[in-house]
Parts: sequence; structure tokens; C-alpha cells
Amino acid sequence: GDSVTQMEGPVTLSEEAFLTINCTYTATGYPSLFWYVQYPGEGLQLLLKATKADDKGSNKGFEATYRKETTSFHLEKGSVQVSDSAVYFCALRAGGGNKLTFGTGTQLKVEL
Amino acid sequence: EPEVTQTPSHQVTQMGQEVILRCVPISNHLYFYWYRQILGQKVEFLVSFYNNEISEKSEIFDDQFSVERPDGSNFTLKIRSTKLEDSAMYFCASSTGGAAGETQYFGPGTRLLVL
Repeated sequence: GDSVTQMEGPVTLSEEAFLTINCTYTATGYPSLFWYVQYPGEGLQLLLKATKADDKGSNKGFEATYRKETTSFHLEKGSVQVSDSAVYFCALRAGGGNKLTFGTGTQLKVEL
Repeated sequence: EPEVTQTPSHQVTQMGQEVILRCVPISNHLYFYWYRQILGQKVEFLVSFYNNEISEKSEIFDDQFSVERPDGSNFTLKIRSTKLEDSAMYFCASSTGGAAGETQYFGPGTRLLVL
């Protein structure tokens, strides 16, 4: 079945550091890929998405590129802020299905 | 900006009781979903709903669960005879369409605690 694997957290960075959160997936066909963010005490918010190979999703300084050859969708940001502290979820939605399949989430903590 | 709302934000119930979790999806959306997140675990799909019927459900969504759209705005998840392991955060989501690239918009969740 479909699955998403994310790097284990928590990840602790200093402000202005470079962020990478790895995400790889297994799916039949050509899924759409998403990154959702969950701030403390809140629900899931879409951060960015990509719907086909080589697409780059970007938002709020975050970006991720859909790499079909490596089945990956790694999240990156050049300079993190304390306000980026949250849990980040990689997810996929396979063609023909309704559900999102999520990874386990990676907690990011950014310190001054 | 339109958003998905959920009530209540927190619910405490006794094992064996029935609970109804309520959601108001974004008004022009046609597809509705329930997910749950047990503390410390991944977000899991429960069910999707379109055109007044279930379009997909997971193996978690057994006879204990049911969904309903009782009017033009609400979307509910009923859990009959709750068990301890039903304690989780339950998220409602909605989307305009059912295609793979469609964004699902999530509500803030209802935290259910079964004692």
C-alpha cells in the first residue's frame, strides 16, 4: 500500500540555520505530494504541494521538489525563524483515491 | 478566509457512551473527510464522503463509526460505544474536488478523551 517515510525528530536548529526535512514515499501511479504544518495547539495547515514530477512547491520561504526518480519530496528552508517551530507532515494522495496518507511528522524547534 | 470549523474543541466521555463530533466544512466544498491522530502517532484517514454517501473508508472505520450530513452545512462523525483506544484528536477536512491534487483543508480538531 501507499506509505510515507519522514526523518525522525525532533530537529533543533538555531535561528537562521538551513532546514532540510527528508520525505520519501511509496505509491502506485503518480501521487500528489503535500507538506502540512501543525503549530502548537492548532490543526493541520497546508504548507505547499506538488502534483507532478519535477514540480516545485513553495510557500513562506519553504520549498520542496517532487523527485520521481528518488521518490522523494524533501522540505527545505534557507533560514528558519523561531516562528517556524511546529510539526511538519509529509503526505501523499494517490490518483483514484480520496485519502491523504501521512508520514509520522517531524517536530522542528528553532531557538534564538 | 473561509475555514473548516469543528465543535466541540474538547470532549470527555465515559467508555461505552456515544459521541457526536461536528464539523462545518467550507461552504462551496463538495468532499468531506474525517481523520484521527492518536497522541504521538501519525494522522490516519477514517472516511471520505461525497454526494451524501461514503466514497472511501479505512479499516479503522468499522460499524462503530458513522458519518452524516444532516443539513446543508454540518458534517458529523458518530462514535457508538466508545472505547479507551478511541481517545485521539479527530480532524475534519473538506475539498472542492476529488482529484489527487486537490487541497484538503483541515479544521482545528476535536480532542476526544475516553475514560
